[in-house]
Amino acid sequence: KAGVTQTPRYLIKTRGQQVTLSCSPISGHRSVSWYQQTPGQGLQFLFEYFSETQRNKGNFPGRFSGRQFSNSRSEMNVSTLELGDSALYLCASRRLAGDSGQYFGPGTRLTVT
Amino acid sequence: DQQVKQNSPSLSVQEGRISILNCDYTNSMFDYFLWYKKYPAEGPTFLISISSIKDKNEDGRFTVFLNKSAKHLSLHIVPSQPGDSAVYFCAARSNTGNQFYFGTGTSLTVIP
Repeated sequence: KAGVTQTPRYLIKTRGQQVTLSCSPISGHRSVSWYQQTPGQGLQFLFEYFSETQRNKGNFPGRFSGRQFSNSRSEMNVSTLELGDSALYLCASRRLAGDSGQYFGPGTRLTVT
Repeated sequence: DQQVKQNSPSLSVQEGRISILNCDYTNSMFDYFLWYKKYPAEGPTFLISISSIKDKNEDGRFTVFLNKSAKHLSLHIVPSQPGDSAVYFCAARSNTGNQFYFGTGTSLTVIP
């Protein structure tokens, strides 16, 4: 069974631009969560989607948004990029929203210059 | 506000010895705890977990201990191997929203 895939793996953007990251969960998994990893902050929860609906949201500004499609694939969008948005963005999937474990993709490394 | 804390950013251990990674949490509503291992350029991979109704869970060389009164958990790796060198994240799940909270990670280096 294929794992969680994320595209692109690396991205360089300029301050003020917007970016869209994509995540394909493991086949059969309907829950997708997004995390931001920065040095010293660990993994910070952004949001979780299940069956195309956002179930949970972390403490991030409205510039961070996401959506999930009917095939469970998810996209995350960041508008008006700031230097501080440079981070590794990780996507994780689990079969159901209540499952205790989740499987992570390799992440998208975003650099904002 | 960091609800899950890993106060040791790094740890070095000799091969064959025990590695002990620590994690503290503040929210008494957490009902499930997990450890993940992360290699560079890869996403975190699940290692071991423990429910709040238990105080110990063992899986091969890995054992997780939970002390609910102290709001503390630890991961023991015995014996440590060079391949265990990675960043280890502690995570906790809230019983209210199914959201996971992660620590900042501990970088373990096992010296051959």
